[in-house]
Amino acid sequence: AQTVTQSQPEMSVQEAETVTLSCTYDTSESDYYLFWYKQPPSRQMILVIRQEAYKQQNATENRFSVNFQKAAKSFSLKISDSQLGDAAMYFCAYKRGTGGGADGLTFGKGTHLIIQP
Amino acid sequence: NAGVTQTPKFRILKIGQSMTLQCTQDMNHNYMYWYRQDPGMGLKLIYYSVGAGITDKGEVPNGYNVSRSTTEDFPLRLELAAPSQTSVYFCASSYRRRDVNYGYTFGSGTRLTVV
Repeated sequence: AQTVTQSQPEMSVQEAETVTLSCTYDTSESDYYLFWYKQPPSRQMILVIRQEAYKQQNATENRFSVNFQKAAKSFSLKISDSQLGDAAMYFCAYKRGTGGGADGLTFGKGTHLIIQP
Repeated sequence: NAGVTQTPKFRILKIGQSMTLQCTQDMNHNYMYWYRQDPGMGLKLIYYSVGAGITDKGEVPNGYNVSRSTTEDFPLRLELAAPSQTSVYFCASSYRRRDVNYGYTFGSGTRLTVV
């Protein structure tokens, strides 16, 4: 079974600074997807960024970028120029790429990101 | 475009009661999912459906039942509520074609307390 580990229960960063959230995963699959989701106090799950395992290039979405290290099974999220609206729980998630079986996402326990004004 | 709609948003149940959490999506997504989120944890998959009439168990299915009679609706049934089912429940949907998943859309969640 796949597992996703987020080793930082909480992170704090000054507004306008850069912060990196860590995620590691364990899988025997070669084809899979990785995601970062943001969950603000409203509870809504918001997709931040997505990475296909077959792509070597790291995904980027505006101030959000990932460092995908497939051999190390590492998928960290970098948030540049942190803003107060970035404060939330961040979840790393994994999905197998092909084949049958459960199609759902496997989530880590999350990292609570605090933005200091 | 409403996306994924869950009702109710909050509910308190007594031990042994039953209830149905409703979920509907208007995006014509073929896949639908139910997750639960316990305090301080990530989401765990309860059940999922790959299309109308087809459902399957996820990681934590015990104590729950689902049905998928239409593409749009995927209700989650709790038959005999237990305190261990106190959680926040999320419904999600996605469109998948030829092993390519085009992304998930989540509902806003239902906070369920069993006392």
